[in-house]
Amino acid sequence: RKEVEQDPGPFNVPEGATVAFNCTYSNSASQSFFWYRQDCRKEPKLLMSVYSSGNEDGRFTAQLNRASQYISLLIRDSKLSDSATYLCVSYTGSSGSARQLTFGSGTQLTVLP
Amino acid sequence: NAGVTQTPKFRILKIGQSMTLQCTQDMNHNYMYWYRQDPGMGLKLIYYSVGAGITDKGEVPNGYNVSRSTTEDFPLRLELAAPSQTSVYFCASRTDGQGTYEQYFGPGTRLTVT
Repeated sequence: RKEVEQDPGPFNVPEGATVAFNCTYSNSASQSFFWYRQDCRKEPKLLMSVYSSGNEDGRFTAQLNRASQYISLLIRDSKLSDSATYLCVSYTGSSGSARQLTFGSGTQLTVLP
Repeated sequence: NAGVTQTPKFRILKIGQSMTLQCTQDMNHNYMYWYRQDPGMGLKLIYYSVGAGITDKGEVPNGYNVSRSTTEDFPLRLELAAPSQTSVYFCASRTDGQGTYEQYFGPGTRLTVT
């Protein structure tokens, strides 16, 4: 079983739509979680961290449910510029694999005009 | 503000050839990482370093070597290239400040082994 699993999509949504991505993680020792965005043929960039209380950054809302080992990302009022692959990432600071991020395979989003 | 730079951007190797992928960061980050990303897949950690002179294996280290003689540079060496090493290689760095885990990535090197 992959340590971080995502629905690969693709998600094709019209401009202005609300879209939600889900992610599950298998390592209960994972301490922190993030969403990274990766544009086609570019490097990943941090979109936002995910906190247990949930957090919002403009049109983006991230939620973490530790009991279910589940992370989500909600994008409201989708823009064409939101088209990208969204990577769910966990951080586990245990010895042996210290200080490493584990990346999901990504969910591809295309926002259509 | 260069951040993390990687060279070359593209390379085609023949089976059995060797090459070094260069990575440099100017943010004085102690932690540096090498990942590979195969099409449609997530990033897999090859090697990482927590400071000059210290390196350790990640998830997929076979066929690769690294060194970290300075804080700025973290080259990745492929000794005997194989078609399975065709991939996009990303270098990343981050500060070791408490509670900060954001990694900054270079633009990647696209490697084809034929």
